[in-house]
Amino acid sequence: QQQVKQSPQSLIVQKGGISIINCAYENTAFDYFPWYQQFPGKGPALLIAIRPDVSEKKEGRFTISFNKSAKQFSLHIMDSQPGDSATYFCAASISTGFQKLVFGTGTRLLVSP
Amino acid sequence: GEEVAQTPKHLVRGEGQKAKLYCAPIKGHSYVFWYQQVLKNEFKFLISFQNENVFDETGMPKERFSAKCLPNSPCSLEIQATKLEDSAVYFCASSQYGGGSDTQYFGPGTRLTVL
Repeated sequence: QQQVKQSPQSLIVQKGGISIINCAYENTAFDYFPWYQQFPGKGPALLIAIRPDVSEKKEGRFTISFNKSAKQFSLHIMDSQPGDSATYFCAASISTGFQKLVFGTGTRLLVSP
Repeated sequence: GEEVAQTPKHLVRGEGQKAKLYCAPIKGHSYVFWYQQVLKNEFKFLISFQNENVFDETGMPKERFSAKCLPNSPCSLEIQATKLEDSAVYFCASSQYGGGSDTQYFGPGTRLTVL
């Protein structure tokens, strides 16, 4: 119930291409879905987040698509750049109250020049 | 400060020894979370605080792990009698309002190696 499943485990994309990372959750109480970006040796940093009352959120080259009925959400990175090479984690939490983040297992993205 | 600070950066302990990790949340943030990231990148929630009060400790192996957030002091996570499986990176995060949709800001982590 508390799991968030993430795929793929790793991804290689050419510079300028689109990177797509998918996540699925089970707990219908989750209503806040952030994506975190982590570089080697650093802590994760919030990239973009969505609530289930919208189906899509875009910030620059990063877009979250959300499918409430399927309990799935995905991160799209348009015009991927070598500087985007990092590990990406989806997460979920319950917005009411004081709630921990439940993380996916991470996707290691490599953008080749 | 504007960043979550964690010390030390690296910690090496022999099995059975004690380990103590520290976290200074961002100034003005009242909520602190500890997560453990093991080698396969999986994050495991350990414990959360609202100021000095424990809010959720469901992830803590209580027989060996303890944590505190005291006023005017860095928060701490202590592991008594470390085991090999405690080898991981321990992240502290802080948030201002504590709600589930409030951004959690992560520190750089402490890498604990248990030999």
